[in-house]
Amino acid sequence: DAKTTQPPSMDCAEGRAANLPCNHSTISGNEYVYWYRQIHSQGPQYIIHGLKNNETNEMASLIITEDRKSSTLILPHATLRDTAVYYCIVRSQGGSEKLVFGKGTKLTVNP
Amino acid sequence: EAQVTQNPRYLITVTGKKLTVTCSQNMNHEYMSWYRQDPGLGLRQIYYSMNVEVTDKGDVPEGYKVSRKEKRNFPLILESPSPNQTSLYFCASSLGIYNSPLHFGNGTRLTVT
Repeated sequence: DAKTTQPPSMDCAEGRAANLPCNHSTISGNEYVYWYRQIHSQGPQYIIHGLKNNETNEMASLIITEDRKSSTLILPHATLRDTAVYYCIVRSQGGSEKLVFGKGTKLTVNP
Repeated sequence: EAQVTQNPRYLITVTGKKLTVTCSQNMNHEYMSWYRQDPGLGLRQIYYSMNVEVTDKGDVPEGYKVSRKEKRNFPLILESPSPNQTSLYFCASSLGIYNSPLHFGNGTRLTVT
């Protein structure tokens, strides 16, 4: 399964858009990109996922580059409650179902 | 309410005393998995199950056992716990395997003295 690389930390001002990058340069054609977040030590919460096309839901938008080697999670109007660790993972349609979460990006939203 | 339920939330035990952490989901999900989370190491997968009676090792399976006798339950068993298994544990499930989000439980904080 493809591995992902994320910056360890990012800051964002409240009310502004938060753009969290993820590199998955070894992703294969049948692998989905998923984003989760974890607030304090709670269970990770699903945010959004996609295969090729950009996706949007009530929480966020996911932009996947045309070559699929990287993606960006966009929180359009960040609030203090969005302060969390954000994980980008890939999940494949075949082979092992091992999932590698990595260390994620610690997003801090500042007032 | 659709959820993944782990028990107990907190557990303190001694080295070598067998314990089981239960995980149950009420969403008829096929896939279930266990993770441990340690400071600086992120989430690491212990075991996963793609369906009843089908289990496989994740990245850190040593010292753990699992079983999947029923679709809804996926207990994590520590036959002889050691202090290096002190960690925060999460169970997760998803409807399918590839195009389905994982739903996580609230976690079990285990301390082995």
